Formats: sequence, C-alpha cells, structure tokens
Amino acid sequence: EAQVTQNPRYLITVTGKKLTVTCSQNMNHEYMSWYRQDPGLGLRQIYYSMNVEVTDKGDVPEGYKVSRKEKRNFPLILESPSPNQTSLYFCASSLHRDGNEQFFGPGTRLTVL
Amino acid sequence: QQQVKQSPQSLIVQKGGIPIINCAYENTAFDYFPWYQQFPGKGPALLIAIRPDVSEKKEGRFTISFNKSAKQFSLHIMDSQPGDSATYFCAASDGGATNKLIFGTGTLLAVQP
Repeated sequence: EAQVTQNPRYLITVTGKKLTVTCSQNMNHEYMSWYRQDPGLGLRQIYYSMNVEVTDKGDVPEGYKVSRKEKRNFPLILESPSPNQTSLYFCASSLHRDGNEQFFGPGTRLTVL
Repeated sequence: QQQVKQSPQSLIVQKGGIPIINCAYENTAFDYFPWYQQFPGKGPALLIAIRPDVSEKKEGRFTISFNKSAKQFSLHIMDSQPGDSATYFCAASDGGATNKLIFGTGTLLAVQP
C-alpha cells in the first residue's frame, strides 16, 4: 500500500529535550515536505527536500532541522523544543515539484511543556 | 501576496444540501489550486484540483468553480452526505522549486442526517 508513515503519532516532551519525528514514504517520491497545522492558520511548510541531500527552508523553519540521507526518509529534528512548537505536524511527499498531489502522513501531535 | 483566504470557518448543512466553500488569492503566479479533505486523526487527502485554464471541474459530487479575473475559487459539494463531514482546505501552488502548497485556514463542515 502506497503510504507516508510518521512516528511517533503522539509525543509529550519538555522544553529543551531534543526529539526527532520520523517520516518514511514507499512511493519513490523525490519531493518531501514537513508542515505544521495550527488552529486558524491552516498548514504551513517548515522544510522541504527535492532529493537526497537537497533540503531548504519553507515558511516557518525556525527551531527545526531536517535531513535527507535516503530517498524514502525525511526526519524532522527539534534540537531544543519550546512550547511554541506545540502543534500537529504532517510529512508529505509528491512525485512532481509543482505541488501536484502531495500525499500526507497521519500526523504527529506534539506537546512541549 | 502568499495568502489564501478561506471562508467560512465552519458550515452546517442538512443531508442533501449543497455546501459552498470559498477561497481567494492574491498571487497571480499561482497555477494549481487543489482542495484537500481531512478527517479527524488523519492527514489531508487530495479531493480535487484545478488549473487556471478552465473555469470548472467536476469529480463525482465535488465541483470546483474558478474565476481567474476575480482571483477566487470555490468548492461545491452536491447532495452532501454525513460522510462528507470533515475539514476542507483550499490551497494554491506556483509550481516553483519549493514544492510548497499555500493552504487556506480550513472549513469545518458538518452534514446533519
């Protein structure tokens, strides 16, 4: 089954404790993105990747890092989480770069205390 | 310039009604306008999409109407069903290298039986 998987699905942590949210896709897509979803703001792009070892900032990259060492995996790293990073996070992948049909993962709900 | 404005924030209709969700944009470089449907606990999933070279697109009970001169587009759901109850997001993309979708703020639709 074609899918994007994320782990963990739920995470409660404390300020400053480094964490990683994993993302993996099995569709051989070149393009992957991370979004955060906040009430009243919709989804906003954090980082994106066009291929292995090629990543760049989206609209809200502050406080986040990413890596793309393998085509299928695109982890999101919060090195020193803060309460304003409490949000619902989605990983997405697409075959083409122009945003056509992005496939979203199930989401990771993060709470930073 | 990058915003996509979506209304209404929430909508309640009776089964069989035709909910209409509206979106407006400013950036004339946008050339791809998808609608995503999101059920609770799930990631957004592509519902239907349109490009500016057509004024209307239908897929089953879902129709996008597009007005290029007014920079507006809308989603109509014909013969709405309780199973259509979800959050709907409009989005736009300029086909650039960022693979980014600019999302509206979402509309929570409830279809009452």
